[in-house]
Amino acid sequence: EAGVAQSPRYKIIEKRQSVAFWCNPISGHATLYWYQQILGQGPKLLIQFQNNGVVDDSQLPKDRFSAERLKGVDSTLKIQPAKLEDSAVYLCASSSNRALYNEQFFGPGTRLTVL
Amino acid sequence: DAKTTQPNSMESNEEEPVHLPCNHSTISGTDYIHWYRQLPSQGPEYVIHGLTSNVNNRMASLAIAEDRKSSTLILHRATLRDAAVYYCILRGPIQGAQKLVFGQGTRLTINP
Repeated sequence: EAGVAQSPRYKIIEKRQSVAFWCNPISGHATLYWYQQILGQGPKLLIQFQNNGVVDDSQLPKDRFSAERLKGVDSTLKIQPAKLEDSAVYLCASSSNRALYNEQFFGPGTRLTVL
Repeated sequence: DAKTTQPNSMESNEEEPVHLPCNHSTISGTDYIHWYRQLPSQGPEYVIHGLTSNVNNRMASLAIAEDRKSSTLILHRATLRDAAVYYCILRGPIQGAQKLVFGQGTRLTINP
C-alpha cells in the first residue's frame, strides 16, 4: 500500500511571498489532515477534511492560510503572504473511517523556511 | 482535550528494555491512550493504543495503570532505529475520525 505523498519536500521563500504544498492521501482514505510542526514542538492540527468538506479549521490562520480538497482526494495548503513564523514542517495525514481504530498515516512533510 | 505529561527526554542502551512513562490524571472514562512516535526527518507513526487492559503488538507493549491515570510504553529490546520522539495522546471514542493533539513528547536516545 502506497503511503501519503507530499511535495515539495523542501521550500525556501522570502517573507511576503506565496507558497503551496500538495498532499496525496492513501487511496480510499476519507479523512485528510494538515498539521504544522514548529521546530522542537509536537505537530498542531491546522485543518481536517472529511471527503471534500471541512470538519475542523479552528486553528487555521485564515487571513493567510487556505486549503482545499477538491473531489475528496488530493489536497493543497497555501500560505499567502508568508511570515517568518510560518517556518515549520507541514505534515499531511490521512485516515480511513472504516479502520478499526482510525490510525492516522503521515506523509514525510514539507519543510518550509521563510527568510 | 485531556492533557498528558511526559519526560522531555530519556536515554537507554541498545538491546535493553525501555519504559516510557505518561501521566494523564484527567483522563475521562471513554478516552483511549494512543502512542505515536516520530523518527528523525519523518512524519509520526502509530505505535499502539489501549483503553483499560494492557496491550501488546509487534512494536511495543502498553501497560495501563488500574486507575488509568498513567501508562507506560514498553520497548522490550531497544535498537538504534527506536531513537525517536514518542508522543502519548488521549483520544475520545474510536467511532469517527478525530484529530490528534500532540504534546512535546519524550525524546528517546539509544546508545550503542
